[in-house]
Amino acid sequence: GAVVSQHPSWVICKSGTSVKIECRSLDFQATTMFWYRQFPKQSLMLMATSNEGSKATYEQGVEKDKFLINHASLTLSTLTVTSAHPEDSSFYICSLTRDRGFEKLFFGSGTQLSVL
Amino acid sequence: GESVGLHLPTLSVQEGDNSIINCAYSNSASDYFIWYKQESGKGPQFIIDIRSNMDKRQGQRVTVLLNKTVKHLSLQIAATQPGDSAVYFCAYNFNKFYFGSGTKLNVKP
Repeated sequence: GAVVSQHPSWVICKSGTSVKIECRSLDFQATTMFWYRQFPKQSLMLMATSNEGSKATYEQGVEKDKFLINHASLTLSTLTVTSAHPEDSSFYICSLTRDRGFEKLFFGSGTQLSVL
Repeated sequence: GESVGLHLPTLSVQEGDNSIINCAYSNSASDYFIWYKQESGKGPQFIIDIRSNMDKRQGQRVTVLLNKTVKHLSLQIAATQPGDSAVYFCAYNFNKFYFGSGTKLNVKP
């Protein structure tokens, strides 16, 4: 069965509004979750590492005030795209691992964001 | 910096043939590699992984080969089926995951 639940699957919003994407771990407690962004026909780009109970670690070039990450519990991480613009339109995918060792990632089903 | 790249952006094969997807990496400290399959509009799906203390690992219809000397990774799919059509990514894990640019596999009936 699914290990990761990501919602919503797709969302359309107007420019200037904020959108929240949820990522839930269904099978185990995930101290670390990862958020990726993917443009059409391109690879996954790591945006940030979400750590339960502490601030997220953002990759170089990713605006932390633009992409707010909250990992308030061991089973839930949220990504909020604030004041969305058309260039934020993309496929966002969350993932998680059981620990920070050599473990495979489990991925959510992704969220397609379209900003009008 | 680290990089994980692919030699072939697209690959077309006939149903029933074997497929080989390649990946080159630049960080010699890499010691864990994963192949993922991604269908359109979906999240990546784990296929197979390999650690650097191995040079070959087999799964069901899939084989991953690792050549640490030339920093090359490949995924072999035996008897390719239409359901194998997808984009395939290699990824390297060292505290976090980075992905290669991907290869689109088209299986012709």
